Amino acid sequence: DTAVSQTPKYLVTQMGNDKSIKCEQNLGHDTMYWYKQDSKKFLKIMFSYNNKELIINETVPNRFSPKSPDKAHLNLHINSLELGDSAVYFCASSRRTGGFSETQYFGPGTRLLVL
Amino acid sequence: DAKTTQPNSMESNEEEPVHLPCNHSTISGTDYIHWYRQLPSQGPEYVIHGLTSNVNNRMASLAIAEDRKSSTLILHRATLRDAAVYYCILMGGSEKLVFGKGTKLTVNP
Repeated sequence: DTAVSQTPKYLVTQMGNDKSIKCEQNLGHDTMYWYKQDSKKFLKIMFSYNNKELIINETVPNRFSPKSPDKAHLNLHINSLELGDSAVYFCASSRRTGGFSETQYFGPGTRLLVL
Repeated sequence: DAKTTQPNSMESNEEEPVHLPCNHSTISGTDYIHWYRQLPSQGPEYVIHGLTSNVNNRMASLAIAEDRKSSTLILHRATLRDAAVYYCILMGGSEKLVFGKGTKLTVNP
């Protein structure tokens, strides 16, 4: 049973296109996150949602729009893709927000390549 | 975000213990010390966390200095599967995980 799953695993697309990445967790967690890992391997948080409500937005361009239809899903839609969006995107979840001892569980990542 | 300092890389031999250090001299009283690792081509994976006391779990041990300005992740018997980048992260103030460069651990057979 995969705790945090992401689709697709790989995504190759042209500059200017719009694409979505889906994330689902079956852990019953309230909080979900999106992280971006660039080519230099730095891992940075982009967004977090708690029970479908946006909690953290780390000055990400507004071409990136997270959507949470329910607390088990957090999708990432990217408009007008740019070369610099090429990265690995990780989804994560934790039991609740505001808990500094909470563990985050990560998905396997979506490798996005913009040509 | 409180900062941590880790060596860029470390090497170990299989079945030997590994001690991964982390300095966090600006830690505040409510910051938890978290360790995650990232195996090649995988998402980060939780290893262990603690506040003041040493902690043990099935994966590792966490030794926290008395003044909390440093900590050490201990893998008791390294295996090839433990080769990964290990991140020491302070969490307090906000629930964000702020990843640094981490320590790349190489395990030699």
